[in-house]
Amino acid sequence: QVQLQESGPGLVKPSQTLSLTCTVSGVSISSGDYYWSWIRQPPGKGLEWIGYIHYSGSTYYNPSLKSRVTTSVDTSKNQFSLKLSSVTAADTAVYYCARTTPHGSWYFDLWGRGTLLTVSS
Amino acid sequence: SSELTQDPIVSVALGQTVKITCQGDSLRDYYASWYQQKPGLAPLLVIYAKNNRPSGIPGRFSGSGSGNTASLTITGAQAEDEADYFCNSRDTSGFHWVFGGGTRLTVL
Repeated sequence: QVQLQESGPGLVKPSQTLSLTCTVSGVSISSGDYYWSWIRQPPGKGLEWIGYIHYSGSTYYNPSLKSRVTTSVDTSKNQFSLKLSSVTAADTAVYYCARTTPHGSWYFDLWGRGTLLTVSS
Repeated sequence: SSELTQDPIVSVALGQTVKITCQGDSLRDYYASWYQQKPGLAPLLVIYAKNNRPSGIPGRFSGSGSGNTASLTITGAQAEDEADYFCNSRDTSGFHWVFGGGTRLTVL
């Protein structure tokens, strides 16, 4: 059974860098069959795709966030991570990691439960 | 602003059929996927590649599309289908992904 689990600090101060990790179980990230995405949802609002990474290092990011986003993969721990710099209150959201299947039409077929990240001083 | 447009609120009587739509220029070139989200839970994929259901998704969920519009149809809506529904597809560049603003479905 494939599972994804996000982990993070919960609270970050404005202007700092948030760091989140997604631990994957049940499938190896380095199998290469999937891409691994980050998606967020501000409280009471819709979903926003942040970006994705492949174990090979290939990445694509939302143009609106690209200048502040970095993602990485740790195949030894079967994890992938997100860093978002210079955060503001607008970055307060539930952050989800999701498996992205690139067969035919791409889609997010498995999601973590999400972790709430609040930006506040 | 989202490149995919959804009606914010849709309602359906219990047991009836409802269609939730998603409009955007990128849908002329790329299939949509659909996600169901209930309060406090992560989104759940219900339709991918226009009209494919993941294992475990009831057969009353189906997808379709024509031109710049993708649709999610629930045939015989149940009380447990009350949720927010989001469409997703590539944007017009083809390199990034966008979500619709979401439709809140109420089952009366």
